[in-house]
Amino acid sequence: SQTIHQWPATLVQPVGSPLSLECTVEGTSNPNLYWYRQAAGRGLQLLFYSVGIGQISSEVPQNLSASRPQDRQFILSSKKLLLSDSGFYLCAWMYRGITDTQYFGPGTRLTVL
Amino acid sequence: TQLLEQSPQFLSIQEGENLTVYCNSSSVFSSLQWYRQEPGEGPVLLVTVVTGGEVKKLKRLTFQFGDARKDSSLHITAAQPGDTGLYLCAGARNYGQNFVFGPGTRLSVLP
Repeated sequence: SQTIHQWPATLVQPVGSPLSLECTVEGTSNPNLYWYRQAAGRGLQLLFYSVGIGQISSEVPQNLSASRPQDRQFILSSKKLLLSDSGFYLCAWMYRGITDTQYFGPGTRLTVL
Repeated sequence: TQLLEQSPQFLSIQEGENLTVYCNSSSVFSSLQWYRQEPGEGPVLLVTVVTGGEVKKLKRLTFQFGDARKDSSLHITAAQPGDTGLYLCAGARNYGQNFVFGPGTRLSVLP
């Protein structure tokens, strides 16, 4: 069965510090991978998605970047965090069958102070 | 503007009551999904609907996809405190496209 991991679970960082969030998927190969951000108790905003190693598509211009160095690894980064980067970050992978289905990781709560 | 609208935004009911939440759009979707999310956790998929007029039942939950595939509803019978959470709908305009998410309905079921 497939499993998706995210770490860290919680992170508190000062403004201007760098960021690296990691997501890994087990039990599948060549998955589509996604990074979302969720404001407190609200819907999900798609930040980046990747259909393969080294392939990154950005949905919104922002202070963040993403990379996919390995097939089942997806990284979200920033060189200098802003207060507005605070939020709940979710990684997801897409199962493509008769219907497309997304499965989410447990999320990372980022607080920028 | 949101491509997918959800209503109500908040709902607080007593255990044992029935409820319906809605997901609406002016656009047609090839498929639509419902998720439940608990605080501090990732969304968990409840159901996927793909056919206009389709009705799916998952124990006390009944999901319906509108005939025109522009809207969906989730009905919960005899709600329990364990049903508390944020209910999100998400849709793909066409197969292979990324999903868009609604803003969610936050449900509280009081014992």
